[in-house]
Amino acid sequence: AQSVTQPDIHITVSEGASLELRCNYSYGATPYLFWYVQSPGQGLQLLLKYFSGDTLVQGIKGFEAEFKRSQSSFNLRKPSVHWSDAAEYFCAVGDAGNNRKLIWGLGTSLAVNP
Amino acid sequence: EPEVTQTPSHQVTQMGQEVILRCVPISNHLYFYWYRQILGQKVEFLVSFYNNEISEKSEIFDDQFSVERPDGSNFTLKIRSTKLEDSAMYFCASSEAWGHGGRPTYGYTFGSGTRLTVV
Repeated sequence: AQSVTQPDIHITVSEGASLELRCNYSYGATPYLFWYVQSPGQGLQLLLKYFSGDTLVQGIKGFEAEFKRSQSSFNLRKPSVHWSDAAEYFCAVGDAGNNRKLIWGLGTSLAVNP
Repeated sequence: EPEVTQTPSHQVTQMGQEVILRCVPISNHLYFYWYRQILGQKVEFLVSFYNNEISEKSEIFDDQFSVERPDGSNFTLKIRSTKLEDSAMYFCASSEAWGHGGRPTYGYTFGSGTRLTVV
């Protein structure tokens, strides 16, 4: 069955530090992978997505993610975190079947220290 | 940029009452979804809708739930008799048609959600 694991429930970083949020997936075929961000009380905003091609994907707000098939991972990175990046981050894998639903990880809560 | 619009943003209802959550998907999208997120938990798939019928539903989507696209623009989720455990944020999403060569393009857009509180 398809699944997504985000091993880190909560991460705290200092402003200006680099960030890496981990995501591992289980999926039989070529995965469609997504990172979404959710600020408190807000909706889900797409940061970036991977379908095929270049395994390093650039997203909005200075985020990038790298797809590593051998590790079944799609880790999210940012070289320098801003206080406004504090939010909940969700990794998701898309079902490439007819219904194309998204299967979500539990999320990683990011806190940023000034 | 096109948006998925959800109303209301917050609804409080008494246990046992019926609620209807409304969504206006992006106009040229063909796939519609409802997801929910219980506070502090992950986002869960409820149902997908295509060609005026349910294409897939999760085990959460029991007989108390129904979806409808009554007029070609709105997409509604009805909970017939709400329970305390239905309290959650409900997200509507829509997705565009298949891309070239039959591969999905995943033009997936979420609404900002309806926070349902059952008391």
